[in-house]
Amino acid sequence: NAGVMQNPRHLVRRRGQEARLRCSPMKGHSHVYWYRQLPEEGLKFMVYLQKENIIDESGMPKERFSAEFPKEGPSILRIQQVVRGDSAAYFCASSPDRGANEKLFFGSGTQLSVL
Amino acid sequence: GNSVTQMEGPVTLSEEAFLTINCTYTATGYPSLFWYVQYPGEGLQLLLKATKADDKGSNKGFEATYRKETTSFHLEKGSVQVSDSAVYFCALRDNAGNMLTFGGGTRLMVKP
Repeated sequence: NAGVMQNPRHLVRRRGQEARLRCSPMKGHSHVYWYRQLPEEGLKFMVYLQKENIIDESGMPKERFSAEFPKEGPSILRIQQVVRGDSAAYFCASSPDRGANEKLFFGSGTQLSVL
Repeated sequence: GNSVTQMEGPVTLSEEAFLTINCTYTATGYPSLFWYVQYPGEGLQLLLKATKADDKGSNKGFEATYRKETTSFHLEKGSVQVSDSAVYFCALRDNAGNMLTFGGGTRLMVKP
């Protein structure tokens, strides 16, 4: 049973470009969480999704950021018109149930670097 | 709002030394508390948890006790190994249950 898969592991973008980060949850998991880790800081919650629904996006910046988790395929975190301040590690986690930390599994993250 | 504060790293120890990584929190109500570990090149893994005051979480020789009076959840291990070298994150989840609030992480380096 493969774990949570995130790709790419490293993504380099120039200012103004778009970044698309992908997360394939573990098999049987329908809940996906995205976290961001800025340099020298802890992980910050961004968004919580279930299949085809955004449940909680209280941690998402109001502009340029969006997330989806379609019925088929991976969850996508999309950042439009990236700026240097978007450089961070983005982690995805999945679980079969809401709030089930014992069954919450994290991916290895995507390191986004904005030049 | 909720917050978690961890001691800054890196923490460098010799093998078989005693480990303490301090963690304190601020939250309303009675949150659940967690320690996650991230080995090089991997995602975060749940190490241990405690869901109410005075609970002790333990796993792989690591322990942490939920202290409500001091709002702390310090991680301890009596004898560390080189394989324990990793980044350790303290976290809490409030009663709403949607998200984890993480500390900044503490890098542990164990030398043979």
